[in-house]
Amino acid sequence: SQQGEEDPQALSIQEGENATMNCSYKTSINNLQWYRQNSGRGLVHLILIRSNEREKHSGRLRVTLDTSKKSSSLLITASRAADTASYFCATGSTGGGNKLTFGTGTQLKVEL
Amino acid sequence: EAQVTQNPRYLITVTGKKLTVTCSQNMNHEYMSWYRQDPGLGLRQIYYSMNVEVTDKGDVPEGYKVSRKEKRNFPLILESPSPNQTSLYFCASSPGGQNYGYTFGSGTRLTVV
Repeated sequence: SQQGEEDPQALSIQEGENATMNCSYKTSINNLQWYRQNSGRGLVHLILIRSNEREKHSGRLRVTLDTSKKSSSLLITASRAADTASYFCATGSTGGGNKLTFGTGTQLKVEL
Repeated sequence: EAQVTQNPRYLITVTGKKLTVTCSQNMNHEYMSWYRQDPGLGLRQIYYSMNVEVTDKGDVPEGYKVSRKEKRNFPLILESPSPNQTSLYFCASSPGGQNYGYTFGSGTRLTVV
């Protein structure tokens, strides 16, 4: 079953612009993670934010978490063509087994 | 290099012919998992393993088997593949389950005809 739903499903921006992707989820979580997937390749872990954290940074990435709204956002600043990929959020729930449940992803295209 | 290695990368097989997709990690991770990825459905977990000889069903386990005899290996077995198992499969590992980032393999694209 899907826990996270990303919004938008697809996003197209110009190089240098910021890209924002959102994730909503349904149940209580221990943490939320973001992954990147280049076309047909394996997913790459970007960042993990725990349920007691509100914001986290890693390079050009900024992740926020609002547990009261059951939502998270991923901001990529000063985007580059190499950022073109699909981005997935994944949640680790407090109940239902020790696993990550992934959303369906946002396809980001960064044009030159 | 720390990695999860899956083989084969591509596989075309016929309905009913047993196959195994291998997965191996060199990071001494305790947790390993298999996912399948289908358009519009995202990644869905098939099976996972918390440690050697400990496996459990994910969200879509029907038609699949796994084993964890050694810490580094977690093969996925399709005893009688069917066309609805045509998918992109990923193996992943982590030091201890959901509270850590997963390391993913490069994927196995399986076609069952």
